[in-house]
Amino acid sequence: DIVMTQSPLSLPVTPGEPASISCRSTQSLLHSNGNNYLAWYLQKPGKSPQLLIYLGSNRAPGVPDRFSGSGSGTDFTLKISRVEAEDVGLYHCMQALGTPITFGQGTRLEIK
Amino acid sequence: EVQLLESGGVLAEPGGSLRLSCAASGFTFNRYSMNWVRQAPGKRLEWVAIIYGGGSPTYYADSVKGRFTISRDDSKNTVYLQMNNLRADDTAIYYCAKDRIPDGLFEFDYWGPGTPVIVSS
Repeated sequence: DIVMTQSPLSLPVTPGEPASISCRSTQSLLHSNGNNYLAWYLQKPGKSPQLLIYLGSNRAPGVPDRFSGSGSGTDFTLKISRVEAEDVGLYHCMQALGTPITFGQGTRLEIK
Repeated sequence: EVQLLESGGVLAEPGGSLRLSCAASGFTFNRYSMNWVRQAPGKRLEWVAIIYGGGSPTYYADSVKGRFTISRDDSKNTVYLQMNNLRADDTAIYYCAKDRIPDGLFEFDYWGPGTPVIVSS
């Protein structure tokens, strides 16, 4: 199984400051078609996860452009250019290269 | 507007059975793979099962293989999870999630609000 490891697990951020979350996989998520099958989700308190980024770097419809995804192979990063209060919650990375689909441990972003 | 709504979550005894349902609307249901994902308290999200459009193939996490069965009724736009021989470690919120693109295995673009399953005597 592909193991996903996120860091940090807790991320206190001052509003207006940038934030960055790392996600590493034990196998390359780069498919022969050139796509990285890595997604990022935000789970706001008491809610279900919502898709932020798919195929490593593509923002989902309606996601603010302060969110960006980068990386390839086994190393990926989610960046928030300027954190807002509404960004608090649990961030998950997920690999969809194959089954079993697996998730990272989650990174909890909180406002300082 | 895409909507997913799970139901069927309750308190169950170890060794018991439950059937979860997920009613879908707002998209061409029969073309999309559908998944069940669970989240136990304090644990990472765990993918449980997938069923492709048309009803096959299906795949399962090792932790539920042989005990859980995913199925779908495209005439009712509903996906099911039959859970047998329940264990305490099946306690979690169960979400259904829709694949982003038809006809394959992809990221999930919509999730339901979830239904809680508690397995305890």
